Amino acid sequence: EPEVTQTPSHQVTQMGQEVILRCVPISNHLYFYWYRQILGQKVEFLVSFYNNEISEKSEIFDDQFSVERPDGSNFTLKIRSTKLEDSAMYFCASSFGGRVDNEQFFGPGTRLTVL
Amino acid sequence: QQQVKQSPQSLIVQKGGISIINCAYENTAFDYFPWYQQFPGKGPALLIAIRPDVSEKKEGRFTISFNKSAKQFSLHIMDSQPGDSATYFCAARRNAGNMLTFGGGTRLMVKP
Repeated sequence: EPEVTQTPSHQVTQMGQEVILRCVPISNHLYFYWYRQILGQKVEFLVSFYNNEISEKSEIFDDQFSVERPDGSNFTLKIRSTKLEDSAMYFCASSFGGRVDNEQFFGPGTRLTVL
Repeated sequence: QQQVKQSPQSLIVQKGGISIINCAYENTAFDYFPWYQQFPGKGPALLIAIRPDVSEKKEGRFTISFNKSAKQFSLHIMDSQPGDSATYFCAARRNAGNMLTFGGGTRLMVKP
């Protein structure tokens, strides 16, 4: 069964450093998403991406964040200058379509620890 | 108004019992209400979902009850099994938009 994959599984970085989290969505999916989950808290939407542009973003997704689909398979989230409060589990998701009932499939997540 | 409130935060049920998790929302623009199941070290996985034009949806041991006027919906797990032990999230999505708004999660433990 096709699945969303994410690398690395755990990333440790120093405050102020740039990090890039990588995702490979399911191959025929057209919509891509990033969510984050701070330890013990709820899953929060960051951004959705379709047709090579951001289609929706939350208040969390400020100028420190960017997303890119650098080739036909990868989808990345970049945090330019990490802060302690960026420490969280970051989930990539993808869906075939953008309809409200199109299932979003989640990857296993990347745990980001900012020291 | 974007919030989805979920209760309880944790739940312990005996094997064979019924697990009930409740969610409430404010935004009447929400048009799709999925439940996700998350095991440790894994991402959330869709369990069952409902649209507001029906009051109940059942898939195997899992049932969603939906009360549009009260803006509440709940997940019932019948004949709960130890393998159901996981964190459950309710969520909601507007018809116009991609964002899933999640509840706070319920950690379910089913005791053998």
